[in-house]
Amino acid sequence: NAGVTQTPKFQVLKTGQSMTLQCAQDMNHEYMSWYRQDPGMGLRLIHYSVGAGITDQGEVPNGYNVSRSTTEDFPLRLLSAAPSQTSVYFCASSYSQGSRQFFGPGTRLTVL
Amino acid sequence: EDKVVQSPLSLVVHEGDTVTLNCSYEVTNFRSLLWYKQEKKAPTFLFMLTSSGIEKKSGRLSSILDKKELFSILNITATQTGDSAIYLCAVVGPSGTYKYIFGTGTRLKVLA
Repeated sequence: NAGVTQTPKFQVLKTGQSMTLQCAQDMNHEYMSWYRQDPGMGLRLIHYSVGAGITDQGEVPNGYNVSRSTTEDFPLRLLSAAPSQTSVYFCASSYSQGSRQFFGPGTRLTVL
Repeated sequence: EDKVVQSPLSLVVHEGDTVTLNCSYEVTNFRSLLWYKQEKKAPTFLFMLTSSGIEKKSGRLSSILDKKELFSILNITATQTGDSAIYLCAVVGPSGTYKYIFGTGTRLKVLA
């Protein structure tokens, strides 16, 4: 069991570039989410999914898109990167609403 | 607006000390509260609390929830340098949503 995996671990982008952060889990969890973590801000929810084909916005969705075509994968797309998107991004999954979340190792993104 | 507040923001202690970390919340239709430990990477799960007054314990760590006063505490006894981390508190949002509201965390440093 790999748990929750994320790629890449590190990424540097220039302003205006787009990219996709990958997230996959092998625990057959229906519920997945993306967070960003900034100093002094805790974890803030970007988007989440309650099953394949179903996604919704979190607290800070602007500038990000998601899709969920399979139970395993939940990619996060940055449409046009901005310096304000410099952050550490975590993907998480859980068995049900309200149960403990399992987190991936994170992606550290820098936008110049 | 739902919020979770952790205190103190940071704490420095010596090995062997006992620490108490606080988490207070104002969340509509509270369901449960979770504690995570975050070292250099992904948060790892410590406790999930749903019932008031029942202590959860794991080794030197313990936690309790007070649903009347809307707070939880995390106690660590006989601290070790390996306890140095950020401790995150999260409250599960209303049923029908998949939202975990995180506090900003308490950064604990244990000196040898």
